Amino acid sequence: EDQVTQSPEALRLQEGESSSLNCSYTVSGLRGLFWYRQDPGKGPEFLFTLYSAGEEKEKERLKATLTKKESFLHITAPKPEDSATYLCAVRVSGGYNKLIFGAGTRLAVHP
Amino acid sequence: GAVVSQHPSRVICKSGTSVKIECRSLDFQATTMFWYRQFPKQSLMLMATSNEGSKATYEQGVEKDKFLINHASLTLSTLTVTSAHPEDSSFYICSARGTSGRVTYEQYFGPGTRLTVT
Repeated sequence: EDQVTQSPEALRLQEGESSSLNCSYTVSGLRGLFWYRQDPGKGPEFLFTLYSAGEEKEKERLKATLTKKESFLHITAPKPEDSATYLCAVRVSGGYNKLIFGAGTRLAVHP
Repeated sequence: GAVVSQHPSRVICKSGTSVKIECRSLDFQATTMFWYRQFPKQSLMLMATSNEGSKATYEQGVEKDKFLINHASLTLSTLTVTSAHPEDSSFYICSARGTSGRVTYEQYFGPGTRLTVT
């Protein structure tokens, strides 16, 4: 069964304290790994899509990396406005382009 | 680019009535739209996938007669919750996947609709 696991469930950081969020997956055939940011009461905001092991993408203080078993979302020198829930999802072959989501990591960055 | 809108953002209805939620892709053609529901502090649960002009594919456990999905055009999909009950109260979110010219847009999400059934 295809599965996506995110860790930690919650993370509290001080402003400027860099860290990484993990997304591990067990799927039959990966056709893309997605990262989204979700603020309370809003829909997820697209961040990155990664397609193959070794691929990296960056956007401001965020950098996403992908291996054959997991993905990391690195947050460098976070600011309070980076506080949100970060969701990881995978698209698998034969799945009609649907995404399988992890439970998310709730990030709180304190000044 | 890749903006998805939803309407309404919030709706309160009485038990037994039906509610329609609209999802629109504003700047690309959405060949596929997805409908999710999300309970507080939980992740997204896929309800159904719809391709333009075709019947929706529902996930296991989702009642297709209760959650009616229509995807009649490349920019609009609707979700109708029929005979709503308090347990249907939730946050409903749509997403769209499609193209604009040669650019393919992966799943972009709408802002969500908060449904409260009293």
